[in-house]
Parts: sequence; structure tokens; C-alpha cells
Amino acid sequence: SQQGEEDPQALSIQEGENATMNCSYKTSINNLQWYRQNSGRGLVHLILIRSNEREKHSGRLRVTLDTSKKSSSLLITASRAADTASYFCATVVLLANSKLTFGKGITLSVRP
Amino acid sequence: GAVVSQHPSRVICKSGTSVKIECRSLDFQATTMFWYRQFPKQSLMLMATSNEGSKATYEQGVEKDKFLINHASLTLSTLTVTSAHPEDSSFYICSAHRSGNPYEQYFGPGTRLTVT
Repeated sequence: SQQGEEDPQALSIQEGENATMNCSYKTSINNLQWYRQNSGRGLVHLILIRSNEREKHSGRLRVTLDTSKKSSSLLITASRAADTASYFCATVVLLANSKLTFGKGITLSVRP
Repeated sequence: GAVVSQHPSRVICKSGTSVKIECRSLDFQATTMFWYRQFPKQSLMLMATSNEGSKATYEQGVEKDKFLINHASLTLSTLTVTSAHPEDSSFYICSAHRSGNPYEQYFGPGTRLTVT
């Protein structure tokens, strides 16, 4: 079963704008991760945030985590056409088995 | 970085035949690998967890006799789709995490299976 639910399901923005994607989940987690997938390709790990962290940055990416609301957001600043991809949040409930449960994904289109 | 490869990247097979997909960790040892299936425009669904030297753990609803998993070494896991049917056509992706680092998984590029 899927743990995460992202919204919106699809997002289209102009190059240079910021893109915000949200993810909600159902059970307590050890950590939450965001991945990017270009069409027909494998997944690229973007960022991991642990349950005791509230915010993390990596380059143009900013991730927040609100465990009380069981939600996370991924912000991509100053978007580029190359950011066009599908983005997935995934949660790890038990660190011991490291199983990732993926959300349905968000399709981001960045118009040049 | 940690690189995971899959072979083949694309395969077309006839109904009733079996197909083997390999997943290799190229520059690290992986005691655990994971196999996912992804249908078009959908999310990844975990099929099974593959542990080196032991039997794989399958997710509910995944037929272990149809999707045979072997993890014979710390760098190689294989998924064999037996008696393939058109409904098995999908994108199969493996991932691995480094021994001693359970936080991050490294994904292979995926294998597109088409069963005719």
C-alpha cells in the first residue's frame, strides 16, 4: 500500500519560478526522502530528512517536515527546464528493514 | 558515488518464456537489494526485499514462484520473471543500500520488460 500522497499531481510553471510540492503520509516514520525520475529512467535521490529534523537544504532544494501533520514539502527555487521530471516522496517506517514506501508522484513541467 | 546497474535495459519476450534481470552494485557491497515494479505513469511498488545469502521477502500479493529472486553475492541480485504474460509488462527497478548505511537507497536505471 502507498504511504505517501503528493499534491498537486501535476504542476506546470515557468522557468525561474519556484515549485512547491507537498507530500502527506499516514504512519510514524523514521525518515522521508524525495526522489526525481526522468521519463523512462531510474530514480535519483534528492534529499533525506529524518523524523527529528524540520528543514533541510541542498542547493536549490528545500525540504520541510512536519511530523505533527504528517506532511513534507519540497521547494525547488529558480526552476530550470532540466527540472522537468516526476518527483516522489518516500517514507521509511522502520530503519531496520529500510523499506521505502512511495507516494504516487508529481509531474513537474518547467516551461522554458 | 554509489552506482547500481541493471541488465538488460530493455527486453522483449514471448508469452510463456522466462526473463532474467540482473541488478549489480558496482562500487559497494549491498547486503540488501530491493525490487520494484512501476506501471506507466504510476508509482513504484515494492515487490520484494532481497537479502544476500537468504530467501527474499515478498510483499503481499507478489507471487514468489513467478518472480524468482536470487541474491547470491554482495553485489548481485537477479529477478527472474517466469512464464511471463503480457500483464507482466512493466518497468522493473532495483535498488540497494550500502552495508552499514540503511538510510539511503541507490537505484538502478530500470529494465523495461515487454511481453508479447
